[in-house]
Amino acid sequence: GQSLEQPSEVTAVEGAIVQINCTYQTSGFYGLSWYQQHDGGAPTFLSYNALDGLEETGRFSSFLSRSDSYGYLLLQELQMKDSASYFCAVSAGGSYIPTFGRGTSLIVHP
Amino acid sequence: EAQVTQNPRYLITVTGKKLTVTCSQNMNHEYMSWYRQDPGLGLRQIYYSMNVEVTDKGDVPEGYKVSRKEKRNFPLILESPSPNQTSLYFCASSLVGAPGGQPQHFGDGTRLSIL
Repeated sequence: GQSLEQPSEVTAVEGAIVQINCTYQTSGFYGLSWYQQHDGGAPTFLSYNALDGLEETGRFSSFLSRSDSYGYLLLQELQMKDSASYFCAVSAGGSYIPTFGRGTSLIVHP
Repeated sequence: EAQVTQNPRYLITVTGKKLTVTCSQNMNHEYMSWYRQDPGLGLRQIYYSMNVEVTDKGDVPEGYKVSRKEKRNFPLILESPSPNQTSLYFCASSLVGAPGGQPQHFGDGTRLSIL
């Protein structure tokens, strides 16, 4: 099976930088995805990393280290609208759809 | 507009009364899946389908059935709902499965309450 660990909650102030970590245990690893979900709404795709390194998309970046079974989502220039839950999800052999972590609630304060 | 449509959005029903939650996508995606979301537990896979007439169990399939008779539709069936199936349900679709890394497109969710 697969397991993922991420912090349950992270708080930060507007304009700051925050990093949400995700560690995983799986076999046949393909890649790590990140999703954002606002309060009971539909999760929306943010990024996918299959190779080691940093992928940047605007204010959001995602990092993967396959050797450490670790990744993180970096959010810069935080805005109030970034307050949401963030899920990491692992794609691995034996399952054709991602397995999600329990999610990290990000609270952005003014 | 590309979308995944779930119905109903909200449903309150009673134990044992069969119900179906429909899911339809208009993106010609191969893969479709169902998740349930409960507080503190994240999104857990119920069933998924790789193509028409091909379905497989996820992590929490007990008490659920699915079918994939057409590419666009993937209904979730609760034959005899019980209170522990009270949850927020999401349908999702993607063009291909792992390792493609294709994003999952989610519907808006169905909030089920089983009394």
